[in-house]
Amino acid sequence: EVQLVESGGGLVQPGRSLKLSCAASGFTFSNYYMAWVRQAPKKGLEWVATISTSGSRTYYPDSVKGRFTISRDNAKSSLYLQMNSLKSEDTATYYCASSSGFDYWGQGVMVTVSS
Amino acid sequence: DIVMTQGVLPNPVPSGESASITCRSSKSLVYKDGKTYLNWFLQRPGQSPQLLTYWMSTRASGVSDRFSGSGSGTYFTLKISRVRAEDAGVYYCQQVREYPLTFGSGTKLEIK
Repeated sequence: EVQLVESGGGLVQPGRSLKLSCAASGFTFSNYYMAWVRQAPKKGLEWVATISTSGSRTYYPDSVKGRFTISRDNAKSSLYLQMNSLKSEDTATYYCASSSGFDYWGQGVMVTVSS
Repeated sequence: DIVMTQGVLPNPVPSGESASITCRSSKSLVYKDGKTYLNWFLQRPGQSPQLLTYWMSTRASGVSDRFSGSGSGTYFTLKISRVRAEDAGVYYCQQVREYPLTFGSGTKLEIK
């Protein structure tokens, strides 16, 4: 059974940092591009980042470029999202997903940016 | 960036009827390989999104054949036949033709 389990969310002050993790199992993680997608409360879906299978290529929208960094450890079947200089508008549920087809999604982890 | 624009459904839809959800892209989603890079998702209340179709019309594994995707390079439709209570939720289209990947704003389906 495919599982993606996010962790690391919580309440953080504006300007601070937070690192999310996603533990994958049930599929060959190293063969999949992976992504983070977020959803602000009562809002739609927003793609946040994608990383290639080896980690050599990463992609971001302008809204997070320069502040967020996606990375992976294929030996640990884990995906990460380092979030720096957080803003209130980054408050959202963050989902880990397989970006090769967006066919696998985690349950999401909540990040609240507030003073 | 490619802008995805979704239509609104005349809710609620009676159970057993059909519903069609529309999505328009600001640029053609047809890639040089001939495939159309358009995904459809359903997000039920309190759940993670679920992939329904990819490449515009290919159903994802385990998805009912009541769901069918169609369209052209910039105009797309997801048809749901014989709607059931379990089909209720918000439907999103997403283009994966180029970065940045973008989603439509969502279309809510309510069942009567």
